[in-house]
Amino acid sequence: DAKTTQPNSMESNEEEPVHLPCNHSTISGTDYIHWYRQLPSQGPEYVIHGLTSNVNNRMASLAIAEDRKSSTLILHRATLRDAAVYYCILRVYNQGGKLIFGQGTELSVKP
Amino acid sequence: DAGVTQSPTHLIKTRGQHVTLRCSPISGHKSVSWYQQVLGQGPQFIFQYYEKEERGRGNFPDRFSARQFPNYSSELNVNALLLGDSALYLCASSLAVSESSYEQYFGPGTRLTVT
Repeated sequence: DAKTTQPNSMESNEEEPVHLPCNHSTISGTDYIHWYRQLPSQGPEYVIHGLTSNVNNRMASLAIAEDRKSSTLILHRATLRDAAVYYCILRVYNQGGKLIFGQGTELSVKP
Repeated sequence: DAGVTQSPTHLIKTRGQHVTLRCSPISGHKSVSWYQQVLGQGPQFIFQYYEKEERGRGNFPDRFSARQFPNYSSELNVNALLLGDSALYLCASSLAVSESSYEQYFGPGTRLTVT
């Protein structure tokens, strides 16, 4: 299974930007990079995904390195509601719909 | 629009019993996946169904089974419950099964406690 590496935990101050890193050195050309987050006592929630180019949506931005071996999820202004576990996942072509979750990064946001 | 719904919310069972968990996908979604999340860990893939056929199976014993109905809802069954089956069981739906660009939408989960 395609593997990602993330820091176990990160801290941020409210209303400041947060950069959550992810390493995926074994990524292949057709693998998509997906980010999900899981708030306490809830199911995971889709955040963003990308293949090669940087992506923006209403929740976050995804910056993908030129060699695609790493990516960064950017929350532009952290709020207390962004405190969650963030999972970086590689969606492997022809492996169907399964998501392989790692340990994720637990983000805490201080007021 | 309603999201993914799961029932029941919580469940307490005794070792050796059987349990059935239910999931209704988002309207229009034909793929349903099941995940098990043990406390402190990320979710682990159990099954995926698409158009009533099993399309993927994770590393779980045969005590775990599932099916998908014509209306795309799904059931997860676990026989001969063990203490280690205590977990949050998550259902996720998506438009299709094989497109690695498609996102999955998760339900709130069913918290199963085995005593």
